[in-house]
Amino acid sequence: QKEVEQDPGPLSVPEGAIVSLNCTYSNSAFQYFMWYRQYSRKGPELLMYTYSSGNKEDGRFTAQVDKSSKYISLFIRDSQPSDSATYLCAMTFKDMRFGAGTRLTVKP
Amino acid sequence: KAGVTQTPRYLIKTRGQQVTLSCSPISGHRSVSWYQQTPGQGLQFLFEYFSETQRNKGNFPGRFSGRQFSNSRSEMNVSTLELGDSALYLCASSSSRDRINGYTFGSGTRLTVV
Repeated sequence: QKEVEQDPGPLSVPEGAIVSLNCTYSNSAFQYFMWYRQYSRKGPELLMYTYSSGNKEDGRFTAQVDKSSKYISLFIRDSQPSDSATYLCAMTFKDMRFGAGTRLTVKP
Repeated sequence: KAGVTQTPRYLIKTRGQQVTLSCSPISGHRSVSWYQQTPGQGLQFLFEYFSETQRNKGNFPGRFSGRQFSNSRSEMNVSTLELGDSALYLCASSSSRDRINGYTFGSGTRLTVV
């Protein structure tokens, strides 16, 4: 079993849809939780980070962490074609561990 | 503010050769980490440096090595290249020793071993 599990998709939604991306993890020592977005031929870019259970909102993006269930989510409201990318969850303990990434396509 | 700069962007090497990749972190960032990204394995942690000291190392063979200089620039070296080393190698820097603000990644070096 991998430390961080993420459904690789691909996920395809129409423009304007609400997108839900999820990761589960097995190591309760993970302290900080992040979501990265990676466009083709680019390095990942940090979208959001949090270190406590609960929700954190930034514009159209909401990150949710449930440490008791070892489950994190990223919600994208009013999705746009420009949101089409691979989304990676990440979490840190001694180093940063990444999920496999979910490839998202938002169709106009 | 300049981002994380990785050079070269693309490399083609032959099996058995060695290669050195370079990373210049964001000014003021003292933590530098290296990752290997492949379609099958995703992002795999190689090693992390903080103030010229290797702080952590992933599960890669000894052919993979790295170092960090006093100006925080970092290099990684892969000796005796194998076909399976073909990947995107990403460098990331952080302003926080504990990485609580996340990493800023470079665009990577795409290495192809033939």
